[in-house]
Amino acid sequence: DAGITQSPRYKITETGRQVTLMCHQTWSHSYMFWYRQDLGHGLRLIYYSAAADITDKGEVPDGYVVSRSKTENFPLTLESATRSQTSVYFCASSEVPGQGTDTQYFGPGTRLTVL
Amino acid sequence: GQNIDQPTEMTATEGAIVQINCTYQTSGFNGLFWYQQHAGEAPTFLSYNVLDGLEEKGRFSSFLSRSKGYSYLLLKELQMKDSASYLCAVMDSNYQLIWGAGTKLIIKP
Repeated sequence: DAGITQSPRYKITETGRQVTLMCHQTWSHSYMFWYRQDLGHGLRLIYYSAAADITDKGEVPDGYVVSRSKTENFPLTLESATRSQTSVYFCASSEVPGQGTDTQYFGPGTRLTVL
Repeated sequence: GQNIDQPTEMTATEGAIVQINCTYQTSGFNGLFWYQQHAGEAPTFLSYNVLDGLEEKGRFSSFLSRSKGYSYLLLKELQMKDSASYLCAVMDSNYQLIWGAGTKLIIKP
């Protein structure tokens, strides 16, 4: 099915473990984004990617690593998970901003708990 | 710094009209978005304003005043399914979205 998917939907891990969250989109959107959403905060940008092999930091990149070897995939890795990284993580995609269609479309989210 | 302000929570009655306000201070402006987010779900796009004025889409309308750094989302003929959080976001000069914390709208019968 066309769209944007995330896996896993729920994950429980322990402090210090490495965790990878997957994101896959079938729209061939150039841009992809990773956000975290915590109570009392707006969505906060972790990393984004303008194209395959092009990534850049957002507002809260510390403790996270991303890669984008293929246009459709944008995995997010927590190298050594901490309790402060307990959150809901959303992946989003869009066409090139500023060229008419700037709307970001969101995946269903991954709820991550770090014990 | 960049800032988006919107009320934390609002309550309205089924069938009524509610207006959710959003004020912003950002580095540049390339459009304002409203998203709806039901509990436990992803944000979904509702509306986009880049020029001053009112955009209407069925029961939902969104207004923008760039000179005042102000927008509102107007929901008419409220239904129970409109109970959700409404997120205001501004695209800044770097084409990044700056998000408000969201307004939780509670609809009562």
